[in-house]
Amino acid sequence: DMKVTQMPRYLIKRMGENVLLECGQDMSHETMYWYRQDPGLGLQLIYISYDVDSNSEGDIPKGYRVSRKKREHFSLILDSAKTNQTSVYFCASSLGDWGVDAEQFFGPGTRLTVL
Amino acid sequence: QQQVRQSPQSLTVWEGGTTVLTCSYEDSTFNYFPWYQQFPGEGPALLISILSVSDKKEDGRFTTFFNKREKKLSLHIIDSQPGDSATYFCAASAWDNYAQGLTFGLGTRVSVFP
Repeated sequence: DMKVTQMPRYLIKRMGENVLLECGQDMSHETMYWYRQDPGLGLQLIYISYDVDSNSEGDIPKGYRVSRKKREHFSLILDSAKTNQTSVYFCASSLGDWGVDAEQFFGPGTRLTVL
Repeated sequence: QQQVRQSPQSLTVWEGGTTVLTCSYEDSTFNYFPWYQQFPGEGPALLISILSVSDKKEDGRFTTFFNKREKKLSLHIIDSQPGDSATYFCAASAWDNYAQGLTFGLGTRVSVFP
């Protein structure tokens, strides 16, 4: 069953706390992504990972870092979270990163609130 | 600058009507165009996609049209149902855009009323 999972689904943190969002996929996809989605702004790419330990900044990487130590697992880390990082975060994976292989499969999202 | 633009931002359709969403793009190297459907509280899911070598693709009540000369595409939903109420994203990818995967539009929120 092809699936992208995200944990946790909901998270409330205080400003300055560290946040760890986890993503897993069971499709052996090479490429994984982290997005945030805010009303009216669509899906904004935070980081893209081409494989284990091969990560690249997306459009809005400031305030975030990522870790990918296994192909099936991709983490998003917020060191000292800020209130403007309150958002819904989506993880996605794809077979590759161009053309048809770039078709992305999305997880259910994590709703993060930073107070 | 938004490379993939969608219109309208939102629209309302009566049940049984036809929903038409449009999308335009800038980069002439884009060759793969998926449409994603997102329901509230869920992640986007692939609805239908088209390659630049085609001008039309159908899947049940959903049809996407592609116009390479005008750099435009559209999504038509016939016999719209309340269950089609969702946000629809147009996206694009290029054969040489190997660094960034898909470029997404900002989405169109569709409401289908019975």
